[in-house]
Amino acid sequence: KNEVEQSPQNLTAQEGEFITINCSYSVGISALHWLQQHPGGGIVSLFMLSSGKKKHGRLIATINIQEKHSSLHITASHPRDSAVYICAALPNTGNQFYFGTGTSLTVIP
Amino acid sequence: NAGVMQNPRHLVRRRGQEARLRCSPMKGHSHVYWYRQLPEEGLKFMVYLQKENIIDESGMPKERFSAEFPKEGPSILRIQQVVRGDSAAYFCASSPRLGLQETQYFGPGTRLLVL
Repeated sequence: KNEVEQSPQNLTAQEGEFITINCSYSVGISALHWLQQHPGGGIVSLFMLSSGKKKHGRLIATINIQEKHSSLHITASHPRDSAVYICAALPNTGNQFYFGTGTSLTVIP
Repeated sequence: NAGVMQNPRHLVRRRGQEARLRCSPMKGHSHVYWYRQLPEEGLKFMVYLQKENIIDESGMPKERFSAEFPKEGPSILRIQQVVRGDSAAYFCASSPRLGLQETQYFGPGTRLLVL
């Protein structure tokens, strides 16, 4: 069983829709990282959070430490948001992130 | 300020050959992480290095794989006697300070294909 589970695995949305991607983890963590992997393969760090909520442009990330759950929201989605979104959990002990398998998002014009 | 650089971007090797993957971190960053992404799988941590020091190599296979980050020059991930199962995308990331809660900046990756 993977320590980090993401849902949905695949998501197709119409341009303009509000999108939510979920991440659940089974270990106690000190931080959680959201990443975006573009179709060409490049990876961009979106957020690193350990509590509460962060916002950057149309992206919002929230985390509930007690429930071991994080969500990534995209408001007013656009075709350029099409990518794979990956969450990675940093356990309280250890030096490595555990990665989810990613959510593949396609936004249709 | 250039981002994290990796080269080569694509590497083709025959079984039994050696693969050397290079990663130049962002200027001022002294910590480097290597990750592997197998086809149709998620990212997996391999090794975490500081200049001249391996912090954690628990994700790296014990045989055939080694990594270094010398005082001068790029970090190198070396795979000896490659096998088909080594075909994957290898990403490195860097951060300016010790601590995994620091944001990591990813390179474009090296796609290794073993024939």
